[in-house]
Amino acid sequence: DQQVKQNSPSLSVQEGRISILNCDYTNSMFDYFLWYKKYPAEGPTFLISISSIKDKNEDGRFTVFLNKSAKHLSLHIVPSQPGDSAVYFCAAPNTGNQFYFGTGTSLTVIP
Amino acid sequence: EPEVTQTPSHQVTQMGQEVILRCVPISNHLYFYWYRQILGQKVEFLVSFYNNEISEKSEIFDDQFSVERPDGSNFTLKIRSTKLEDSAMYFCASRLSDEGFEQYFGPGTRLTVT
Repeated sequence: DQQVKQNSPSLSVQEGRISILNCDYTNSMFDYFLWYKKYPAEGPTFLISISSIKDKNEDGRFTVFLNKSAKHLSLHIVPSQPGDSAVYFCAAPNTGNQFYFGTGTSLTVIP
Repeated sequence: EPEVTQTPSHQVTQMGQEVILRCVPISNHLYFYWYRQILGQKVEFLVSFYNNEISEKSEIFDDQFSVERPDGSNFTLKIRSTKLEDSAMYFCASRLSDEGFEQYFGPGTRLTVT
């Protein structure tokens, strides 16, 4: 049962442009969402999060938008840099202590 | 900066053998997790551990799996009788408290079952 979905397995963007990574969820009980970045042969690294009481959270070049009615969130990276090339996962915890991850989107930023 | 460490980085074992994957979470963290990622697939939750007991486990975490925090620093995942389909990257993670959901992941152990 895929409660968190990332429908785009890959994305290529020119350096300096905006990268938009999308995530959809099915469980309306989710009230917190996280984005992780993963390089090959490393563990995921926390990037940014958002609580369901907000619709936007910004941290430097990274902004996460949440649309609760559409059960959709997106991560915007602007400007994109070659070092941003990685796999990005969105994740959400249930009301207990179980986290659901999406399948990931592989971002390539072209210099 | 404190980090989660995992050993070994790569473990090769024969089907039916027992393996123990080891993790040292960040020292003042209270919540501990194991995840796995089969090659090319998503990161899958296995189990969470808090206050010296399992707090949640997924359908994957069957009787072949167990976790333990044998002392104040280590957190282990044991697979009793490995199967070919257990081949995956196994990630340990820890979280400071229930005031924030950010988890800090280790670099992973690649388990290969032959």
